[in-house]
Amino acid sequence: GAVVSQHPSRVICKSGTSVKIECRSLDFQATTMFWYRQFPKQSLMLMATSNEGSKATYEQGVEKDKFLINHASLTLSTLTVTSAHPEDSSFYICSARDAGRGAETQYFGPGTRLLVL
Amino acid sequence: DAKTTQPNSMESNEEEPVHLPCNHSTISGTDYIHWYRQLPSQGPEYVIHGLTSNVNNRMASLAIAEDRKSSTLILHRATLRDAAVYYCILSSGGGADGLTFGKGTHLIIQP
Repeated sequence: GAVVSQHPSRVICKSGTSVKIECRSLDFQATTMFWYRQFPKQSLMLMATSNEGSKATYEQGVEKDKFLINHASLTLSTLTVTSAHPEDSSFYICSARDAGRGAETQYFGPGTRLLVL
Repeated sequence: DAKTTQPNSMESNEEEPVHLPCNHSTISGTDYIHWYRQLPSQGPEYVIHGLTSNVNNRMASLAIAEDRKSSTLILHRATLRDAAVYYCILSSGGGADGLTFGKGTHLIIQP
């Protein structure tokens, strides 16, 4: 139980294009999901908190117009990197909070490797 | 979130117990102690969490100091698949906030 999936697992795109990453909770409902990114040799950094049915909350320094988040259902959140540039190349990871198992635990997806050429 | 301090790396032999320490001297009364681990090119995996009492699950044990200012993750019998970066993270009750990851401990398992 408590499985989170991400799609795609890796994506290569040209500079200036947009890329959408999906995060799904497969066996539980998630009112709250989180998006992180991880640069090589570094730790995960929280980008934003995605709440079902409301606007996402972004961490300081993360551009909301560049990283669009939509949490339209209790099992799906999407992150769209708009007008991607090479510096956006990173490992993007989502997590979901399963309130039914204990609100304090988050379960992570396998991550999406983005390479912008 | 309160800050945690972990050794950068630790090394252990296969099939031996491993004790991973974590200091969190500024922990507040409502902070849960979480442990996650991350294998290369994968998302973090939940290991265990606790508040005050020691906890056991199929993966590991969590020993929490009486004053809660430190804790130890115990892998009872390490395997090569346990080689990963282990993160000790504090999170306030309710789970509404994202997690703040430090650098973690890189656990190396020797065959």
